[in-house]
Amino acid sequence: SQTIHQWPATLVQPVGSPLSLECTVEGTSNPNLYWYRQAAGRGLQLLFYSVGIGQISSEVPQNLSASRPQDRQFILSSKKLLLSDSGFYLCAWSRGRARVNTEAFFGQGTRLTVV
Amino acid sequence: KQEVTQIPTALSVPEGENLVLNCSFTDSAIYNLQWFRQDPGKGLTSLLLIQSSQREQTSGRLNASLDKSSGRSTLYIAASQPGDSATYLCYRGSTLGRLYFGRGTQLTVWP
Repeated sequence: SQTIHQWPATLVQPVGSPLSLECTVEGTSNPNLYWYRQAAGRGLQLLFYSVGIGQISSEVPQNLSASRPQDRQFILSSKKLLLSDSGFYLCAWSRGRARVNTEAFFGQGTRLTVV
Repeated sequence: KQEVTQIPTALSVPEGENLVLNCSFTDSAIYNLQWFRQDPGKGLTSLLLIQSSQREQTSGRLNASLDKSSGRSTLYIAASQPGDSATYLCYRGSTLGRLYFGRGTQLTVWP
């Protein structure tokens, strides 16, 4: 069966420090991968998605970047965190190489607090 | 840009009531529609997935319907319980791998 791992679960970082959140998927190949952010009291905002290794699409311009060094690994990074980067970050995957999306699966999220 | 709207944004009801949560989308050319549940501080748990060729799906006390012509999906919760308290989110599939979410309905069921 497929599983998705996201870590760390909680993170407190000072302003200006770097960030690296990692997400890995097991039990499938060529998945579509996604990073979302959920700010307090707001909806889910799609940050990045990837349909293959090295293929990253950004939905909103911001202080963050994403990389996909391996088929089932998706990394969210920042060189210098801002206070506004605080939020709940969620990684997700869906089956790739299909015109029609199938079911989406989510990790348990990372609570990031920038202080 | 495709929009997904969920109504109501919040709902507070006594235990035992039957509930209807609504999700509407502007692009009728959807593929799949999925309903999720999110508990505070947690990730998303999938509840029901409706493929584009389907009209509804059922799981226990939950029933979700999809009407592509009107651009709407409805999640029906029968005999609500306090354990149903959570935020309910709908997402619609799209081309190019994008997933679009509504802002959710925050449900509170009190005993």
